[in-house]
Amino acid sequence: AQSVTQPDIHITVSEGASLELRCNYSYGATPYLFWYVQSPGQGLQLLLKYFSGDTLVQGIKGFEAEFKRSQSSFNLRKPSVHWSDAAEYFCAVGDGGGGNKLTFGTGTQLKVEL
Amino acid sequence: GAVVSQHPSWVICKSGTSVKIECRSLDFQATTMFWYRQFPKQSLMLMATSNEGSKATYEQGVEKDKFLINHASLTLSTLTVTSAHPEDSSFYICSARVQDGYTFGSGTRLTVV
Repeated sequence: AQSVTQPDIHITVSEGASLELRCNYSYGATPYLFWYVQSPGQGLQLLLKYFSGDTLVQGIKGFEAEFKRSQSSFNLRKPSVHWSDAAEYFCAVGDGGGGNKLTFGTGTQLKVEL
Repeated sequence: GAVVSQHPSWVICKSGTSVKIECRSLDFQATTMFWYRQFPKQSLMLMATSNEGSKATYEQGVEKDKFLINHASLTLSTLTVTSAHPEDSSFYICSARVQDGYTFGSGTRLTVV
């Protein structure tokens, strides 16, 4: 069964600093990988996704992620964090097959210090 | 882009009553809809997958008689929490499969008192 691990429950960074959120997945074939952001009491907004091709994926709001098959990772990065980036971030893996189910990680709460 | 409209955004109900949550795909046809439950400061847990015109497939441990899912049309899926109890209080989110991934509703905060 597919699974996702986000090792960091909370991360605090200073505004303007760089950010990396870790995500490791377990899946038997080539995974469909996603990063979502959630503000309190809101739904999920897609930041970026990887299906195939270039392993460095660019997303919205200046985010990027790199798929590393050898490490089963899909870490999210941003060169300079803004205070408005404070939110909950979820990594997810989709099975891509008939079920198309998404499995989410436990999330990383990002706090940005001004 | 593809939008799923979820209503209500929040609802408070008395214990023992039933609550219906609706998700409508506004500009596309949602063949498959997923229903998630999210506890405070926790991840999203898939409850069930519904396909238009057929019975929903529930995840292990989810009571299908308590959480009734109907997907009668390609633009509407509903989740009814029957005989709600305080432990059913949670944040419920629907999601639809789209061409390039998934789109999510804005969620429903259910509080059972």
